[in-house]
Amino acid sequence: GENVEQHPSTLSVQEGDSAVIKCTYSDSASNYFPWYKQELGKRPQLIIDIRSNVGEKKDQRIAVTLNKTAKHFSLHITETQPEDSAVYFCAASKGRASSASKIIFGSGTRLSIRP
Amino acid sequence: DTAVSQTPKYLVTQMGNDKSIKCEQNLGHDTMYWYKQDSKKFLKIMFSYNNKELIINETVPNRFSPKSPDKAHLNLHINSLELGDSAVYFCASSQQIGLDEQYFGPGTRLTVT
Repeated sequence: GENVEQHPSTLSVQEGDSAVIKCTYSDSASNYFPWYKQELGKRPQLIIDIRSNVGEKKDQRIAVTLNKTAKHFSLHITETQPEDSAVYFCAASKGRASSASKIIFGSGTRLSIRP
Repeated sequence: DTAVSQTPKYLVTQMGNDKSIKCEQNLGHDTMYWYKQDSKKFLKIMFSYNNKELIINETVPNRFSPKSPDKAHLNLHINSLELGDSAVYFCASSQQIGLDEQYFGPGTRLTVT
């Protein structure tokens, strides 16, 4: 069945350094790839997303890249700050208004920023 | 001005009881979801409704029954609660199913003792 694998499960980086989280998906028909950030005790919130017709998208310190051939996508956070500490989820979905359009989440990456 | 709200925020109950969690969204979205997040933080979809119609029903015990009285509300009723039901339950909504941002509610932490 459909699957999204996310690595690493935990990541600790020095403040100011970059962090990279990687995901692979199994369904080649997937065409929407969002990333959610969940701070401790709070709800997941979208931070960036990318669609299959785009290879890269950037928003300030956050960027996402997509390799459709290899079926993997990555989140890059540059110049990390303490407030970047959270659990990050990747996800993949496809289509619209059909039973096959559910979104599959990765298992999450707990990112810690060391001062 | 809360976009997606859930009640209650915390729910502590004993095994065997029946409980409900309510969710409302004021974003005008057509699609609503229920997710379960366990202690390991895995986020798993349970149900999805589009315009009050059940679209996704994952492999969830039939003790869980969603109900959508209108497209702004999606409630979750759980019968005969078990210890393994303890988790945080998130409601979410989006305009289109699986193709745009999902807005999550604040979550309901359910503890079954």
